[in-house]
Amino acid sequence: EAQVTQNPRYLITVTGKKLTVTCSQNMNHEYMSWYRQDPGLGLRQIYYSMNVEVTDKGDVPEGYKVSRKEKRNFPLILESPSPNQTSLYFCASSFLRTGVGGEQFFGPGTRLTVL
Amino acid sequence: GENVEQHPSTLSVQEGDSAVIKCTYSDSASNYFPWYKQELGKRPQLIIDIRSNVGEKKDQRIAVTLNKTAKHFSLHITETQPEDSAVYFCAASLSGSARQLTFGSGTQLTVLP
Repeated sequence: EAQVTQNPRYLITVTGKKLTVTCSQNMNHEYMSWYRQDPGLGLRQIYYSMNVEVTDKGDVPEGYKVSRKEKRNFPLILESPSPNQTSLYFCASSFLRTGVGGEQFFGPGTRLTVL
Repeated sequence: GENVEQHPSTLSVQEGDSAVIKCTYSDSASNYFPWYKQELGKRPQLIIDIRSNVGEKKDQRIAVTLNKTAKHFSLHITETQPEDSAVYFCAASLSGSARQLTFGSGTQLTVLP
């Protein structure tokens, strides 16, 4: 089954404790992206990657890191989480091509609470 | 960068009525405009999209219209049903595809039985 998976789905942590949210896709997509979703603000892009070893900042990258060592995986790293990073996080992937078939597929989401 | 504004933030309609959600974008070079539906507790899913070389696109009860001159696009849902209740997000991209989407803030649509 074609899918994007994220782990963990729910996480409660404390300020300053490093954490990683994993994202994996099995559709051979070149493009992967992380978003955070907050009430009234929609989905805001944190980081994206066009391919292996190619990453770039989105609209709200402060406090986050990513890596793309393999095509299928795109982990999101919070080196020192703070309460303002409490949010719902979505990973997404798509092909790079334009035109038909370029739909972005979202993972199930990770609900993060930083105390 | 691109900025997308979405209105209204909440919309209630009676079952069977039509619903219209409107978005405006700031960058005239944007050329791909998808709409996503997010049911409660679920992930966003693409329901329809339109590219800048097309003025209107329909898929059964949903349609999207694009006015490039005014830089706005709208989602139209006809004959609404309770299962249409969800949050709807518009988005815009400069890449011609789903890469680097800028999303609107979302519209909570409630279809009243």
